[in-house]
Amino acid sequence: KAGVTQTPRYLIKTRGQQVTLSCSPISGHRSVSWYQQTPGQGLQFLFEYFSETQRNKGNFPGRFSGRQFSNSRSEMNVSTLELGDSALYLCASSPNGQGNTGELFFGEGSRLTVL
Amino acid sequence: QKEVEQDPGPLSVPEGAIVSLNCTYSNSAFQYFMWYRQYSRKGPELLMYTYSSGNKEDGRFTAQVDKSSKYISLFIRDSQPSDSATYLCAGGGSQGNLIFGKGTKLSVKP
Repeated sequence: KAGVTQTPRYLIKTRGQQVTLSCSPISGHRSVSWYQQTPGQGLQFLFEYFSETQRNKGNFPGRFSGRQFSNSRSEMNVSTLELGDSALYLCASSPNGQGNTGELFFGEGSRLTVL
Repeated sequence: QKEVEQDPGPLSVPEGAIVSLNCTYSNSAFQYFMWYRQYSRKGPELLMYTYSSGNKEDGRFTAQVDKSSKYISLFIRDSQPSDSATYLCAGGGSQGNLIFGKGTKLSVKP
């Protein structure tokens, strides 16, 4: 069974640009969550999508958005990039959502550097 | 105060040592607790999952939860260099998303 796939793995952007990250969950998993990981703050929850609906959202500004498609694939977008957005963005899938069992299967992440 | 507190380390031990990793949490609504292991340049992978107070053992790994003191631990027996990674504790419940600690970086020296 293929794992969670995230693309691109690495990317470099400049301040003010926008970026779109993609995540393909494990086949059959209906929930996709996004986390931002930085050395200073650790793993911070961005949002969770379940069956194309945003189920939960973390405390991030509106520049961070996401969506989920009918095939459960998900994208997240960050607009007007700031230096502080440099981080590893992790996508995680689960069969029925975090509130059910909490078991998450993570991808390897997309490492974003903002210059 | 973060909902889940974890000593970031780094923690360095010799091969074969018993390792103790600890977290405290403040959210009484947490129903389940997990330990994830993250190797360098990889995503976290689930290591242990516990739903209640007490101990859970899996091979060389033992997870311990004490809900009365809001304390969770992971013990690694006969530690190996391959155990060198960052260990993340997390708590969660039906009301929302998993909350992670910042992780403890462990290094097991041959």
